[in-house]
Amino acid sequence: DIQMTQSPSTLSASVGDRVTITCRASQSISTWLAWYQQKPGKAPKLLIYKASLLGSGVPPRFSGSGSGTEFTLTISSLQPDDFATYYCHQHNSYFGPGTKVDLK
Amino acid sequence: EVQLVESGGGLVQPGGSLRLSCVGSGITFSNSWMTWVRQAPGKGLEWVATMKHDGTETSYVDSVKGRFTISRDIAKNSLYLQMNSLRVDDTAVYYCARDVLYWGQGTLVTVSS
Repeated sequence: DIQMTQSPSTLSASVGDRVTITCRASQSISTWLAWYQQKPGKAPKLLIYKASLLGSGVPPRFSGSGSGTEFTLTISSLQPDDFATYYCHQHNSYFGPGTKVDLK
Repeated sequence: EVQLVESGGGLVQPGGSLRLSCVGSGITFSNSWMTWVRQAPGKGLEWVATMKHDGTETSYVDSVKGRFTISRDIAKNSLYLQMNSLRVDDTAVYYCARDVLYWGQGTLVTVSS
């Protein structure tokens, strides 16, 4: 089975910061990687799919890159609405453990 | 508008069974990868089961193999998860998803005596 890891597990940042979250797969998954944002009590919201494609209605400050075993999610300028937990997801399979972005 | 709506959750005793349903509107399930995902209270997202787009293959996380079965009815635009021999650690909100693009709002399953 493929293992998904994320770093960091928690990230403290300020509004306007550039934020980068890394996701690693234990073996190559090509570009079959999605990123989700989740807030407490809510369903996950798709941000990125196929490693770099922006989900419908997702602001362009979110971007994804990578292929094979290493992927990144970047928020170019953190906004107040972006404080949440972020998960990477091998399409239709395993999830990473999550990265919580909180206020510094 | 695309919508996925899960139902069938509730309180069940350990060892019991439940059948979850997910009905789609504004989208079709044919030629789509369909997945169940769960989230235990205070925990992260956990992949549970997937059905391949052509319906020929299914896959499950090890912890539910032999207990859970994913199925679909294309004519009813519905996805199901039959859950047997339920355990306390199956307690979670269960989400259905089409491909990775569309998700429902979830249904809560509580396994407790």
